[in-house]
Amino acid sequence: AQRVTQPEKLLSVFKGAPVELKCNYSYSGSPELFWYVQYSRQRLQLLLRHISRESIKGFTADLNKGETSFHLKKPFAQEEDSAMYYCALSYGQNFVFGPGTRLSVLP
Amino acid sequence: DVKVTQSSRYLVKRTGEKVFLECVQDMDHENMFWYRQDPGLGLRLIYFSYDVKMKEKGDIPEGYSVSREKKERFSLILESASTNQTSMYLCASSLTSGRTMGNGQFFGPGTRLTVL
Repeated sequence: AQRVTQPEKLLSVFKGAPVELKCNYSYSGSPELFWYVQYSRQRLQLLLRHISRESIKGFTADLNKGETSFHLKKPFAQEEDSAMYYCALSYGQNFVFGPGTRLSVLP
Repeated sequence: DVKVTQSSRYLVKRTGEKVFLECVQDMDHENMFWYRQDPGLGLRLIYFSYDVKMKEKGDIPEGYSVSREKKERFSLILESASTNQTSMYLCASSLTSGRTMGNGQFFGPGTRLTVL
């Protein structure tokens, strides 16, 4: 079965430090990959997708097919980035979410 | 803005009760989804629907059923609630065909169900 792994359940960084949330997937074809974010007491929302190669709220993510990774990065973390982050894989008619990483940005 | 609403934020039911969770979206999306969200497990797809009266099983359909009589409404039914169905339930909708996320899914606020 296709899988998405996010090795860190919790990631804590200080404000202003770089942050990288790891995501690896298992799929041999051409995947669609996404990052979703859920802030405290808010609904889950799409942060970015690899197709658009966009930067949202300072976050970027590059698809590395060789390493089957789609890590989420931000050069300078802000306290308002504290949230739950989910990586998601779509392939054909299917998709799957990773287990999520809770990012805590400390003052 | 797409609005996906769910009938209840919090729900407490007893074992064996029949439970209905309602979801409504107002953007004429063809696709609707029900997930459960559990710590450490991420989101797991229960059922989804491409169109009115159509439904497909997701990864964990056991113990659940769904109903989609109107395009904007997708109901999740727990026929006989059990304690292991205590969870956060998320509804989502999208414009894309099939199960691909394409332009992304829009989520409701969630219903936290506790089964005693």
